Amino acid sequence: DTEVTQTPKHLVMGMTNKKSLKCEQHMGHRAMYWYKQKAKKPPELMFVYSYEKLSINESVPSRFSPECPNSSLLNLHLHALQPEDSALYLCASSQETGEVRSPLHFGNGTRLTVT
Amino acid sequence: QKEVEQNSGPLSVPEGAIASLNCTYSDRGSQSFFWYRQYSGKSPELIMFIYSNGDKEDGRFTAQLNKASQYVSLLIRDSQPSDSATYLCAVNCSNNDMRFGAGTRLTVKP
Repeated sequence: DTEVTQTPKHLVMGMTNKKSLKCEQHMGHRAMYWYKQKAKKPPELMFVYSYEKLSINESVPSRFSPECPNSSLLNLHLHALQPEDSALYLCASSQETGEVRSPLHFGNGTRLTVT
Repeated sequence: QKEVEQNSGPLSVPEGAIASLNCTYSDRGSQSFFWYRQYSGKSPELIMFIYSNGDKEDGRFTAQLNKASQYVSLLIRDSQPSDSATYLCAVNCSNNDMRFGAGTRLTVKP
């Protein structure tokens, strides 16, 4: 069982819908991440929160909006997505974001399909 | 030049053999290196991490790091069919981004 919990596991949404992906960790980690992974491709970094502040935004379209309500929770709000946004969305956490980085712990992911 | 490069494979080895997976990286300031295993349709799971030059062993797995050559590898001894998966090399770049290689698909044949 993973210590990073993501909900929902699967999501199908239309291009006009608004939905949110949720992620929770109780390991005391201070850094949380959103990655997007297409089939047969490596994870691509989207956002990094360090101590609840957005520290990295990899030029992600505004239809993806991250939110970090507290140190244990991370949300990704979705609005007006395109079919090409269909992918596996992975949440991860780590102890910190220093130069000597501790490993990322991934959740099981949310499989998103945009119709 | 890609930041983290891996041979995409597929790499096929017989059961019981040693599988050797290789990774090179471009950011000379990188200090943290990771190997993740990912089964089809699942999320990546950590196999090994290494910070210092040399070898680090954990059970059947050995990670090797050579910062001068900007090279990190993973050896899997006594390979099992259950080791069949995609192996992702990840490098923490000097700007604190964790970057992944494209992954090497490993098949262990019984």
